[in-house]
Amino acid sequence: EAGVAQSPRYKIIEKRQSVAFWCNPISGHATLYWYQQILGQGPKLLIQFQNNGVVDDSQLPKDRFSAERLKGVDSTLKIQPAKLEDSAVYLCASSLETSGGIERDTQYFGPGTRLTVL
Amino acid sequence: AQKITQTQPGMFVQEKEAVTLDCTYDTSDQSYGLFWYKQPSSGEMIFLIYQGSYDEQNATEGRYSLNFQKARKSANLVISASQLGDSAMYFCAMTLFKTIFGAGTRLFVKA
Repeated sequence: EAGVAQSPRYKIIEKRQSVAFWCNPISGHATLYWYQQILGQGPKLLIQFQNNGVVDDSQLPKDRFSAERLKGVDSTLKIQPAKLEDSAVYLCASSLETSGGIERDTQYFGPGTRLTVL
Repeated sequence: AQKITQTQPGMFVQEKEAVTLDCTYDTSDQSYGLFWYKQPSSGEMIFLIYQGSYDEQNATEGRYSLNFQKARKSANLVISASQLGDSAMYFCAMTLFKTIFGAGTRLFVKA
């Protein structure tokens, strides 16, 4: 079974530029998550999708970040314009669904995209 | 509000010994899941073990066990017979419709 795919793996941009990250979850997983992990910290949930609907985006800085999951499969996270403090690893994860016990809640993570904003 | 606390920024353990990584949580809900993930220096997050709030027995998965004390709201990870490859960051997380992670504990295994 293929794991969660993310691209690109690394990205360097200058502040005020735009950037987009792509994630393809494990086949059959209804729930998709985007996390931001700043160096030395735990992952912070940015947005959670159930199929193509948003379950939670309370910590997504909506003035500059946007995410979509058209057709309920792969997803794109965009930052426009980027700031220095956006430098982080962006992790995508997927699970069967939420609040259903170990099999359904366990999140499987992709390799992440390391973003550096200069 | 949900909260996860990992009070040990770093831990050292001798190879082949057991180590306990602490995790406390706070929630007023009765139904939730607790997870531990390992993050090696390569960056990927690896699922280790899960405990449901209604599970009466402590979860075990190979050398990993979760010491779940619901009344104290703690979910400590115990790694038995530590190996050099266990050196990594370890994150405790709680899922209740949304997931929150602790700040992590860096484990160093000494030869």
